[in-house]
Amino acid sequence: QSVLTQPPSVSAAPGQKVTISCSGSSSSIGNNYVSWYQQLPGTAPKLLIFENNKRPSGIPDRFSGSKSGTSATLGITGLQTGDEADYYCGTWENSLTAVLFGGGTKLTVL
Amino acid sequence: QVQLQESGPGLVKPSGTLSLTCAVSGGSISGRSWWSWVRQPPGKGLEWIGETYHSGSTNYNPSLKSRVTISVDKSKNQFSLKLSSVTAADTAMYYCARNGGSTNFDHWGQGTLVTVSS
Repeated sequence: QSVLTQPPSVSAAPGQKVTISCSGSSSSIGNNYVSWYQQLPGTAPKLLIFENNKRPSGIPDRFSGSKSGTSATLGITGLQTGDEADYYCGTWENSLTAVLFGGGTKLTVL
Repeated sequence: QVQLQESGPGLVKPSGTLSLTCAVSGGSISGRSWWSWVRQPPGKGLEWIGETYHSGSTNYNPSLKSRVTISVDKSKNQFSLKLSSVTAADTAMYYCARNGGSTNFDHWGQGTLVTVSS
């Protein structure tokens, strides 16, 4: 059981905006950077957001990240069918001295 | 561009030891990065197994710590995973990944499926 909580699924229409939440604790998100990953079917995860709100080179600005307290949010605007994937948040957990991943959120673009 | 490639047996018998290697190319394993193993059971989410630094320092997932050993071979620019006393619950896609800093995995291998079965 993951201690980073994400909604199992979200959906929205093409062109719309969606947000995915990731809830943790003071010893995880509250005191550490959050990263976000996109996993397309049958492929390895891909880094989308690091250090809460930074995008690696090549990631479009349709993807954004934010953090407030012990929660983080991934935002995706201008949804495309190609964005259908599983999305995971990740961070360090101080009390466990370990990396945590959220349980994942399946995005459906209707 | 850093590339990672997993290798190892795709089938392991119950109670046996799972052994995988991750070859790193396009960069030195002796840089400032930590190197991790992450697994994903079929149809489920990501689980971090552990990480190593080129110095040999390691951190492990507490839930797997008693069965896991991660080591680094600087001469071959690779790192390895050993998971002992495996059961069917250890059947998963196993990925190696580089922690680019601040716990962000910026490079991943393609993954290798390991099935635990007799």
